Parts: sequence; C-alpha cells; structure tokens
Amino acid sequence: GAVVSQHPSWVICKSGTSVKIECRSLDFQATTMFWYRQFPKQSLMLMATSNEGSKATYEQGVEKDKFLINHASLTLSTLTVTSAHPEDSSFYICSAEDPTVASDTQYFGPGTRLTVL
Amino acid sequence: AQKVTQAQTEISVVEKEDVTLDCVYETRDTTYYLFWYKQPPSGELVFLIRRNSFDEQNEISGRYSWNFQKSTSSFNFTITASQVVDSAVYFCALSLTSGTYKYIFGTGTRLKVLA
Repeated sequence: GAVVSQHPSWVICKSGTSVKIECRSLDFQATTMFWYRQFPKQSLMLMATSNEGSKATYEQGVEKDKFLINHASLTLSTLTVTSAHPEDSSFYICSAEDPTVASDTQYFGPGTRLTVL
Repeated sequence: AQKVTQAQTEISVVEKEDVTLDCVYETRDTTYYLFWYKQPPSGELVFLIRRNSFDEQNEISGRYSWNFQKSTSSFNFTITASQVVDSAVYFCALSLTSGTYKYIFGTGTRLKVLA
C-alpha cells in the first residue's frame, strides 16, 4: 500500500524558534498533500492543502505566514511553523493522495508531535 | 453544510464482544465518499475502508463490517469478537468530490477493549 513518512516524529523547541516538518510519499508521487493538526483527544483539523508546484490553499483561520508550506517535488511537502509558541504545540499529520490508486483516498503519515516550551 | 457526527465519544467492551461504532453524515452532494480510519496509540491513521455514495452494499472484511444506509445518512462500523488490539480511536470521514477531495472528520470514537 501507499506509504507516507514524516520527519521528525517528535520535536521540542523553544518559543520563538521555527520548526520544519517533512512529509514524504515513499512509493508513489503525490501531486496533492494535506496538513492536519490534532490537539489531544480531539479530531483532525485540516490546515491546508499542498499542491506540487503551486501555492498551498489554507483553511479559514489558519495563518499562512505562520505555517509555511512548500511542495517542491512530487514526493515532498514541508510545513514550517515559524516563531513557534506554546499554543502551537500539537500533533501534526500529513496525508497524500495516490492518484494511481484512487484520487479520493488519503494515506496518512505517522505524525509529528511538536512541543513548544 | 457538510458534517460528520460520531455521537459515541468512548466505548468500553470486554474482549470477544461485538461492538458497533456509529457515524452519521450530512451533505448536499449526491456524489461523495465515506471512510473509516483507525488511530492506535502510536498516532498513525490506518485506512480501513472507502465507500462511494452509489455503492450501498454492506462490506465485510474479516472481523470488520460496515453498514451504509443512505436513507439515514449513516455509515456504521461493527467489530465482531473484539480483541485488545482493536483498542484505538476510530474516525469516520466524508470526502467531497468537488475540488481537492478534502476530508471532513468526525470527532472520533475511542474504543477500549478490556481483556
């Protein structure tokens, strides 16, 4: 099946620093990737849709200048949390569509747990 | 508006019991997709099933079965003879067919299977 990886799996940083999270599709090319945030014991909230070669589409209420998304290749999307603050601490999950299988099915990465001190 | 409701926040069962997780959705679209994902304590979401709106056949996969009732906008998930390894949070999701197939997730149901 389609495999999506994320790196790092967890990160702890100081308030005010920036953190980059990578999302890779390992055995397929993904023109579209998605970034979600999940707070403890809550559901996944879509942050943005990442399209290869174009600007990401952000959901309402998500600050695009704070959460920078770059989808530079068909297998890699990155999310950079700029000037992170404790309220940004969360579980960040990416997903990717494998268009050769079904363009409507998302395969999820293992997630990245961000803790901002 | 599109919405997915999982009314059961948490369910506890004893091993070998059957358990049904409810999912009710709302959409005005006639074409859509429904999904179930499992999120074990490790955090990674595991794909379980995808169903399109034109296929109301129930599906069985091992101990898992799904009942899609378009008339009641429900897509329920049953685990037969539950096992401790089934303990996880289960999410139901609705995918819109317009644009980029964004998912709308329900709030999840935490299933605890006790030995």
